[in-house]
Amino acid sequence: QVQLVQSGAEVKKPGASVKVSCKASGYTFSRNGINWVRQAPGQGLEWMGWITAYNGDTKYAQKFQGRVTMTTDASTGTAYMELRSLRSDDTAVYFCVRDAISVPGIWWFDPWGQGTLVTVSS
Amino acid sequence: EIVMTQSPATLSVSPGEGASLSCRASQSVSSDLAWYQQKPGQAPRLLIYGASTRATNIPARFSGSGSGTEFSLTIGSLQSEDFAVYYCQQYNNWPLTFGGGTKVEIK
Repeated sequence: QVQLVQSGAEVKKPGASVKVSCKASGYTFSRNGINWVRQAPGQGLEWMGWITAYNGDTKYAQKFQGRVTMTTDASTGTAYMELRSLRSDDTAVYFCVRDAISVPGIWWFDPWGQGTLVTVSS
Repeated sequence: EIVMTQSPATLSVSPGEGASLSCRASQSVSSDLAWYQQKPGQAPRLLIYGASTRATNIPARFSGSGSGTEFSLTIGSLQSEDFAVYYCQQYNNWPLTFGGGTKVEIK
């Protein structure tokens, strides 16, 4: 079955960077985009951006432009999200989630990774 | 950016009763609307896409309706496992946006 498995929890200091990985299995990795969504403690869901492994195209939420980089490694079927210049309000669970449809376009999400807690604290 | 507004923020319902959740878009998203369920400590799960199509293995007591700017998720006869937070999401245009969520709690 389709599965996304994310890397483990991270603790970072303000100003540092974090890189979260998301390993896909159960489908052809290059056919579906991968989105990153975060959720601060007790808060709602916030879309950060999207990447397609097909050609590396990305779309970032304006809020994260210049601070986030999303990449993929087709050889391992893994997506990465790097967030730089971390602040305390970046403390959140970060989810990777696949585009449900494997054709170009904007789609709903399915399935979701299990989430990675990133804690930013001095 | 399309703003998604969900109401109410919290809905108190007795097991066995039905519930209706609302989601409004600041501009038309056609039928490009999905609903997700999230339980504490878990990732969200897809319930509905295309405003009204149930995802695989989603029980028939979940139904979605609406188009344009007004949408609803109806849960018939709530089961214990249905008490959770529900989010709507538009995928009509970038940036993709979510509503703030509706928490369905036990009355």
